[in-house]
Amino acid sequence: DSGVTQTPKHLITATGQRVTLRCSPRSGDLSVYWYQQSLDQGLQFLIQYYNGEERAKGNILERFSAQQFPDLHSELNLSSLELGDSALYFCASSPVSGANTGELFFGEGSRLTVL
Amino acid sequence: DQQVKQNSPSLSVQEGRISILNCDYTNSMFDYFLWYKKYPAEGPTFLISISSIKDKNEDGRFTVFLNKSAKHLSLHIVPSQPGDSAVYFCAASFVFSGNTPLVFGKGTRLSVIA
Repeated sequence: DSGVTQTPKHLITATGQRVTLRCSPRSGDLSVYWYQQSLDQGLQFLIQYYNGEERAKGNILERFSAQQFPDLHSELNLSSLELGDSALYFCASSPVSGANTGELFFGEGSRLTVL
Repeated sequence: DQQVKQNSPSLSVQEGRISILNCDYTNSMFDYFLWYKKYPAEGPTFLISISSIKDKNEDGRFTVFLNKSAKHLSLHIVPSQPGDSAVYFCAASFVFSGNTPLVFGKGTRLSVIA
């Protein structure tokens, strides 16, 4: 158990809909990262927050947005969903903002299926 | 544009033998490399890392080798055990020259056969 909690574990929805994925980081970790893993793809970095502020942005679509709340949990909002958005979405946390000399702690992921 | 490449999607090894997983990168500015292991229905977990100032790091049965001139790293598992069967991701980052999240490869699925 990494200490990172993601909900929901599975989600099935239709094209055009909007969903919210939630992540609670490990106790004390200030940094939250979102990654997307599509079929046959590696972990694609989407966005990072540190102590409530956006710190780095990767290949995140404009239809996607995220935020980190004062209690440090984070939400990833996916809107106007398309079939290609079907993927496993991972949240990870770490104590620090960057300088990844150490590990990221990953949640179990949220599997999104868009029909 | 894949900056971190794992060209072997899968690898099968007999129990007790050595497993060698390979990873290539394109950006010479990467200065820190990590390996993560992922079981089905679980998130990736950190396995071992190496700084660009080293060429080898060992932790029990796991050793990572870094060849900066070739922009290549490899993970050796000796001896391989059935419990090592998982997907292994190589990752890279810029530690000393910036503040960026990890860049991952596509992963290699290792199957250790008893």
